[in-house]
Amino acid sequence: QQPVQSPQAVILREGEDAVINCSSSKALYSVHWYRQKHGEAPVFLMILLKGGEQKGHEKISASFNEKKQQSSLYLTASQLSYSGTYFCGTDPSGGSNYKLTFGKGTLLTVNP
Amino acid sequence: DAGITQSPRHKVTETGTPVTLRCHQTENHRYMYWYRQDPGHGLRLIHYSYGVKDTDKGEVSDGYSVSRSKTEDFLLTLESATSSQTSVYFCAIRLAGNEQFFGPGTRLTVL
Repeated sequence: QQPVQSPQAVILREGEDAVINCSSSKALYSVHWYRQKHGEAPVFLMILLKGGEQKGHEKISASFNEKKQQSSLYLTASQLSYSGTYFCGTDPSGGSNYKLTFGKGTLLTVNP
Repeated sequence: DAGITQSPRHKVTETGTPVTLRCHQTENHRYMYWYRQDPGHGLRLIHYSYGVKDTDKGEVSDGYSVSRSKTEDFLLTLESATSSQTSVYFCAIRLAGNEQFFGPGTRLTVL
């Protein structure tokens, strides 16, 4: 079942912060985050494994609450380059085939 | 660096014709995936492969078949294309850290 992302879209001014949420109805083993710019392929940002760890990538970080089956992506002091569509991909099993089910995406627009 | 090419990059075809999309990787990764991307739906898994001649269905596999006779090539076939299969198709490989690396995509239009 597809995870639910919220919000569907968000508009920021450069320097503002944003949070994107991803919720699943299934227990999760891992959550992946990707960013896709218009007309391009999705690009991997980070993966969070069962255990509630938080990860960071420059000014982009994420958390994973396995009990609530939720993950959040935090974008701090946003830059113009952060614009794009963000997808979470969930893996409920950690099985060897590593299949992901992706949410419908959150469109982030950063304006000057 | 992981390398994936997809061919063709763009294709226009007519309803009822067979279409084959090719995904080629250069680094011998075991797992390969085919997704379709449509507005409002995100990325949806069509089929995947976990080795040569080892494939399985994803969530939207109806109307599609796949083959993998060599590690480096994963083919997606639409036996008889329909307008509902107009989409952007992405191939992906699983890298050592479990992340998926996506190819550039193929834009398919079925008239």
